[in-house]
Amino acid sequence: GAVVSQHPSWVICKSGTSVKIECRSLDFQATTMFWYRQFPKQSLMLMATSNEGSKATYEQGVEKDKFLINHASLTLSTLTVTSAHPEDSSFYICSAPSGRRSGTDTQYFGPGTRLTVL
Amino acid sequence: QKEVEQNSGPLSVPEGAIASLNCTYSDRVSQSFFWYRQYSGKSPELIMSIYSNGDKEDGRFTAQLNKASQYVSLLIRDSQPSDSATYLCAVIPYNNNDMRFGAGTRLTVKP
Repeated sequence: GAVVSQHPSWVICKSGTSVKIECRSLDFQATTMFWYRQFPKQSLMLMATSNEGSKATYEQGVEKDKFLINHASLTLSTLTVTSAHPEDSSFYICSAPSGRRSGTDTQYFGPGTRLTVL
Repeated sequence: QKEVEQNSGPLSVPEGAIASLNCTYSDRVSQSFFWYRQYSGKSPELIMSIYSNGDKEDGRFTAQLNKASQYVSLLIRDSQPSDSATYLCAVIPYNNNDMRFGAGTRLTVKP
């Protein structure tokens, strides 16, 4: 299957700082990538859809000014958690569909980034 | 009604038994269905995709889709302790590209 990487795999930061998470598709191009958040013992929650060359689409209840998304190229999307607080501590996972055909593409997930805000 | 619903479990089966995981979805015109496995602390990994009514087999795994009943299931034959994980059902709504997940079913296979 297609390979998606994330960096860093884990990060610990102080409250009030900003953290950037990178998501890369290594062997395919992705015009769209997705960002999820998962709290312990809960399911994946879609935060936003990252679109190459245009603004991200955020799910209801997700603050776009707090979670900045930039899809700089066909292989890279970044999520920046600005002014992080302890309640932002979570497991952040990105995914990318394997093809360009809407509606049927398998999504491949990055390994995730565990964020801990002290 | 949630878009994708699964029994949260936990589901416990003995080693060698068949584990049956179920999922229902609300969008009648959904066209793509997936099963992912997620180990604790890890990201989901794809097990199977299914797009047409009926059964699809891959090794010990069989996915079953019934669009009329809006129901998709996953059977794991000869369950192994290494199959112990949370299984996520995912659906792509019609003419869309984002994926909606169920809450997941936690499976434990006891040696």
